[in-house]
Amino acid sequence: SQQGEEDPQALSIQEGENATMNCSYKTSINNLQWYRQNSGRGLVHLILIRSNEREKHSGRLRVTLDTSKKSSSLLITASRAADTASYFCATGRLSGNTPLVFGKGTRLSVIA
Amino acid sequence: SAVISQKPSRDICQRGTSLTIQCQVDSQVTMMFWYRQQPGQSLTLIATANQGSEATYESGFVIDKFPISRPNLTFSTLTVSNMSPEDSSIYLCSVEEGIGYGYTFGSGTRLTVV
Repeated sequence: SQQGEEDPQALSIQEGENATMNCSYKTSINNLQWYRQNSGRGLVHLILIRSNEREKHSGRLRVTLDTSKKSSSLLITASRAADTASYFCATGRLSGNTPLVFGKGTRLSVIA
Repeated sequence: SAVISQKPSRDICQRGTSLTIQCQVDSQVTMMFWYRQQPGQSLTLIATANQGSEATYESGFVIDKFPISRPNLTFSTLTVSNMSPEDSSIYLCSVEEGIGYGYTFGSGTRLTVV
């Protein structure tokens, strides 16, 4: 069954604005990861946050994790047209070497 | 990070036929994962492929429909058998970079069954 649920399902913003996507999950996790997918192609790993971390940065990306609320957010600052893609959160289960469980994704459109 | 070569990138197939998708990894990995992404949907895990043993299938997926081979630590194939239009999806293979690290995905195979 789906673990993560992202919202919004779709988001349209102007270039230069910030984009925030949220993810909620149901069970205990080892880590939460965010991926980007361009035009139905392969997924690209963006960032991983462990269950004992609350916030993590990578370039223009900022991820937060609230394990008490079982939720995470991905913030993309100063968005660019090239950021247009679908973004998925995925959770890693407690035991190692297990496959990811993906949310439904957010389709982000950045308008130049 | 690992690099995965996935083939074919896309195909249009007649119903009732089968298609084999290949993934080649540039490093040895213990497990490979196969996902399906139906149009406009998220990724659903089909099976986990270990070298030297039978693949482990998720609920709703069976070996007769999606046979998987894993002959060595760098290669795996997924066959979509006796295809119907409902099998039209993107199929992706994936490997874990290490416990607690991100996953690397192949570029995907876009399958259309007519």
